[in-house]
Formats: sequence, structure tokens, C-alpha cells
Amino acid sequence: SDDLTQPPSVSVSPGQTARITCSGDVLTKQYVYWYQKKSGQAPVLVMYKDTERPSEIPDRFSGSSSGTTVTLTISGVQTEDEADYFCQSPDSSMNSVLFGGGTRLSVL
Amino acid sequence: QVQLIQSGSELRNPGASVRVSCKASEYTFTNYPINWVRQAPGQGLEWMGWLNTKTGDPTYAQGFVGRFVFSSDASVTSAYLEINDLKPEDTAIYYCAGAALATGGAFEVWGQGTMLTVSS
Repeated sequence: SDDLTQPPSVSVSPGQTARITCSGDVLTKQYVYWYQKKSGQAPVLVMYKDTERPSEIPDRFSGSSSGTTVTLTISGVQTEDEADYFCQSPDSSMNSVLFGGGTRLSVL
Repeated sequence: QVQLIQSGSELRNPGASVRVSCKASEYTFTNYPINWVRQAPGQGLEWMGWLNTKTGDPTYAQGFVGRFVFSSDASVTSAYLEINDLKPEDTAIYYCAGAALATGGAFEVWGQGTMLTVSS
């Protein structure tokens, strides 16, 4: 099916590693894009084509892919990383865009 | 890098219409297909569709056919979202987002968002 599934929440302490997953059958055929969304701000692209990081994004952000699951990893999490993270992918027909439900990253 | 500047917050009655604008800061407006995304209160991001800024052709996602109209005016480097026959469930923040070929179609540039409230 062309759905993207994310865990609703992930919690880590500062300095730890956060892993946010995005799962869906379509991900064996399509790339995933990740967006960070802070309250009151527009989304920001933090990863594209599964593993590519925009130049302005800190290198503690990384991406990986395995089968039907793509993972956004944030190493050495900082308090400023606290946000909602959304994965996005084209659907299998390339006629539509899918968003995952979003994962709230809490930095405790 | 291009910036997208959206029009300000709107308050409308049910049944009314609204037009949200999204102005690109550079003349390379036609290089960026413009997507429209909304976020209802407490909800996630929802893709509404996209506008081919070279041809002016719109594509609407399921659920956004009929009352929603995408358009553009390249002479003023602007894209527009018009919503007709507004309903309370249209209350949301609406974002325009420019997709870039260099990043495989990622929504690389976002407007700041336009808050639309539909209430009597």
C-alpha cells in the first residue's frame, strides 16, 4: 500500500542518538525526504533521497535505508533538535506525494 | 536561493472564498514547481497538489479537487491558492513549497505559511 508509517514519538536525552523510522511498501521503489517542523515555523528539509544531507544541515543528521524502512538518525542530539519530523515520498505511480504521520522528537 | 513569501493570515466565514499568495524572490520562479501543503490544527502535513510554474498546469491531490484552485502569474513571480465555498474544516496553515530538481524533487524552499481560520 502507499502509506508511510512513523512512530508518533521518540524521546532521548541530550547527547544520545535518536532514530526515527519511516516504513512503507512504496519505499522499495521511491526515495524518502525528511522535514523538521518546529512549532510556529515552516518545515525545513533535513535529508533528501534517503541519505543526502543539504549543506546547511549539521552532520549529526544522517539517513539510511533498508527494504521498506528508511531511518533518520540524529547523533549527539541537541535540545534544538526537538521538533516534529515528517517523512515524504512520491507514491508508487509518481502522481502523488505521501507524508508520514510525523514523529515528535522530545529531548528530555 | 529563492525565498517564498506568503500573504498574511485570513479569517473568513463559511461559504466565502480566499486567495493565498506565494511570491518568489527571484526571477527563476519558473524553475521551481510549487507545491501546496496544509497542516490542520494538531495534525500532520497534507499534500494538496502542485503547480507547474512553466506551463501553469495544476495537479490536485485526492480530496482537493473542486473547491481548490492553483494558479500563477510569472510576471510577478507569484503562485496562488484559491479556496472556494470555505468550510470550518479548511481551518489550517497553508504552505507553498518549491521543489528542486537538484534534490530529486525535495521541497527545498518553503513559504512561512498562511493561517486560515474559517468560522462564523
